[in-house]
This record gives sequence, C-alpha cells and structure tokens, in this order.
Amino acid sequence: RKEVEQDPGPFNVPEGATVAFNCTYSNSASQSFFWYRQDCRKEPKLLMSVYSSGNEDGRFTAQLNRASQYISLLIRDSKLSDSATYLCVPAGAGSYQLTFGKGTKLSVIP
Amino acid sequence: GAGVSQSPRYKVAKRGQDVALRCDPISGHVSLFWYQQALGQGPEFLTYFQNEAQLDKSGLPSDRFFAERPEGSVSTLKIQRTQQEDSAVYLCASFRGRNYNSPLHFGNGTRLTVT
Repeated sequence: RKEVEQDPGPFNVPEGATVAFNCTYSNSASQSFFWYRQDCRKEPKLLMSVYSSGNEDGRFTAQLNRASQYISLLIRDSKLSDSATYLCVPAGAGSYQLTFGKGTKLSVIP
Repeated sequence: GAGVSQSPRYKVAKRGQDVALRCDPISGHVSLFWYQQALGQGPEFLTYFQNEAQLDKSGLPSDRFFAERPEGSVSTLKIQRTQQEDSAVYLCASFRGRNYNSPLHFGNGTRLTVT
C-alpha cells in the first residue's frame, strides 16, 4: 500500500457544484493532517489543517477518520478560482515528516 | 523579503554538469526542507535541516546530491554530474518550529532541465 493515495482525478465540475476528494494514508502513527493547494506551475500552499475529526473553513470541509485512515476534502459552491491540484499530506507523529500525495486535479468549468 | 526565496528560477544544464540551487528561508525559521517534484507528481522529500544540522537526508536519490545549511539560514542543494532523470522542480520550504505547529512555507521552486 502506498503511503498516501488520492483520487486520481481530474475532476471537471461546473461552477456552483459540490465536489469531494478522498485520501487514504498508511502510517497509523500520523497525528496531523493537511490539505495543500497547488496552482499550475506554482508552489504548494496550505489550505487547511485537520487535527481532530475534522474542521470547516467557509466553503471547505475536511473530515478525518482515523480508524479507516481516511481523510476527505469537500468543496461547496465551487468557484473558477478553486481550479488547482489538491495535495493530501499526513504528518508523522510528533515529527517533521510530511508525506505528500500525488494530488487530485480540479477544474471548475464556467 | 517576507517569503521563502529560491534562485535561480530556471536552470538548464547539460548532462554531466554540476548545479547549485539556493534557498533563502523566512528569517528565524528553524526547519528547512528540500523537495523534488516531477511533472504530475506530489513533492518528494529530499532532506531536512534543523538550524545548521542536517537531521535527515534519507530522500536524496544518490550520492550526487548534497545539501548544506552552514549558518542555519541559507541552504544550497548541489547536484553533481547531472542526469536527465534529475529534471524536476526543486522546492525549498521552511517553518518556524521543529514540528507541525506552524504552517510550512514553500518557495516558488527552481525548475531544472537537464539536456
């Protein structure tokens, strides 16, 4: 099993749609989880941190299921500006180690 | 500047040449990382520094790759005798502490093309 597996994508959705990305991780010791957003030919930027069962930030909701080692990201009311690649990133327990998934590409279509 | 700065932005090297990539982290950031990102992939860990100490270099793909951070601020990633498979974007990132209690800030990367 790969350390981090994400939905292959690409996801092509119309503006206003709700879209969800899934991510599974293999390291059961992971304590912190992050979603990063990466625009084409740009550097990754932190979108959300996920520390407990999940959290919400405006149109974005992240959920964590530790038993199943599964994280999801839900985007409501998609905007054209949401078009990007979304990287799932679990962090090792109490350490610096971040493992990036390959990312899921989202294209929001007018 | 306020962010992580990398130079050069683009580098074209002929196979066999040596290259040096520079990273200026955010001032005061203890932790510094180098990542390699191939087209269509997520960033792959190369090495980690805490101040001037290189605590983990397990991701360096071969002994042709060498990184240093002698004064605990600026870091250099050196690739000797470049090969075509070294072509990728090299990302530097830093954060303030020693574990993830603060966000990881990335530079905009150096795009290396080996011909």
